[in-house]
Amino acid sequence: GAGVSQSPSNKVTEKGKDVELRCDPISGHTALYWYRQSLGQGLEFLIYFQGNSAPDKSGLPSDRFSAERTGGSVSTLTIQRTQQEDSAVYLCASRPNRGYEQYFGPGTRLTVT
Amino acid sequence: GQQLNQSPQSMFIQEGEDVSMNCTSSSIFNTWLWYKQDPGEGPVLLIALYKAGELTSNGRLTAQFGITRKDSFLNISASIPSDVGIYFCAGPRRFGNEKLTFGTGTRLTIIP
Repeated sequence: GAGVSQSPSNKVTEKGKDVELRCDPISGHTALYWYRQSLGQGLEFLIYFQGNSAPDKSGLPSDRFSAERTGGSVSTLTIQRTQQEDSAVYLCASRPNRGYEQYFGPGTRLTVT
Repeated sequence: GQQLNQSPQSMFIQEGEDVSMNCTSSSIFNTWLWYKQDPGEGPVLLIALYKAGELTSNGRLTAQFGITRKDSFLNISASIPSDVGIYFCAGPRRFGNEKLTFGTGTRLTIIP
């Protein structure tokens, strides 16, 4: 079956502009996660959606970052007024209702110039 | 808080060699997951472990859930070029918590 997809695969933007990153989870998966990975680093948790519950936003680094998940499926991560330190790979993962295994998309590489 | 330390940080081996890496925590984990990340790709789940002492294989990969529940091990036998990448361990931060803590990663490089 289809895996997690993300778009765009690469995004180059100017400092100060807003960007939107999209994630399509695996069909039927109830949980969706966003992570950030800086070059050569590990995964930094950003936000987590589970069903209709309020999202866990505890990992968002600043109020410039926000995310929504419409209809329990597609999610959009928005970064406002981008800064150069926002440059990273943004990874999305989804998880079925039971278990801990998360399945990752290919990521969006964001470059802020 | 719970942290996962992976060792070694990087490995340089020749094709055909066996590889061993581990993941340790100061806290008990009830599940261990091992992922591999190829350059420019997202992490891919390799093996999931659910029980202390469990030994699970996936092709040339074998992972073990440590008896103390504070560590896990991943072995790769007869390495091939496509094994190159970064290997991450992960586990739920607390029992019943669906957020994962990820290890610092082990970068595997194969020397030609």
